[in-house]
Amino acid sequence: NAGVTQTPKFQVLKTGQSMTLQCAQDMNHEYMSWYRQDPGMGLRLIHYSVGAGITDQGEVPNGYNVSRSTTEDFPLRLLSAAPSQTSVYFCASSYPSKNEQFFGPGTRLTVL
Amino acid sequence: SQQGEEDPQALSIQEGENATMNCSYKTSINNLQWYRQNSGRGLVHLILIRSNEREKHSGRLRVTLDTSKKSSSLLITASRAADTASYFCATDALYSGNTPLVFGKGTRLSVIA
Repeated sequence: NAGVTQTPKFQVLKTGQSMTLQCAQDMNHEYMSWYRQDPGMGLRLIHYSVGAGITDQGEVPNGYNVSRSTTEDFPLRLLSAAPSQTSVYFCASSYPSKNEQFFGPGTRLTVL
Repeated sequence: SQQGEEDPQALSIQEGENATMNCSYKTSINNLQWYRQNSGRGLVHLILIRSNEREKHSGRLRVTLDTSKKSSSLLITASRAADTASYFCATDALYSGNTPLVFGKGTRLSVIA
């Protein structure tokens, strides 16, 4: 099993550009979530999904969109990148929702 | 909003010493989990303790939970340089439904060889 994979590992964007951060898991987990990690702020939840076709907002959803068309994939879209979105983004999955979370390796995003 | 808050924010010890870090939380929980994050990597699950448990062990890790004080502690015995990492607690709040775990800000542990 590859576990949770994230692409790309690094990305530099200019303000206003859009992009999609990819997340995939091969463990048949129903539950997936996106966090951002900033220095001194810990992990903050952006969006999460309890199954294909179901998504919900977390603590800091503004500026991000998600969709869940399959159990395996949970992409995060930045609509119009802003410098405040410079961060490290982690995708996680689990089954069931509140037990051990499996994290991907992260995407380090810089917005200029 | 942060449910769990780790203390201290940073801890530096010598190899072979024990490391203790604490987590305090605000509302009643179903379970509390501890995770480790090596620099530049994703978080790795260490241990889960349920609200009706008081202590759990896993190798050199010992976790305690005091629901009356809304606090938990993680003890790493006989620390090694490889234990250098950030440690996070995460809580599953009671009646939170499908809302995911809430993570604290972490304790940065440095183990000096």
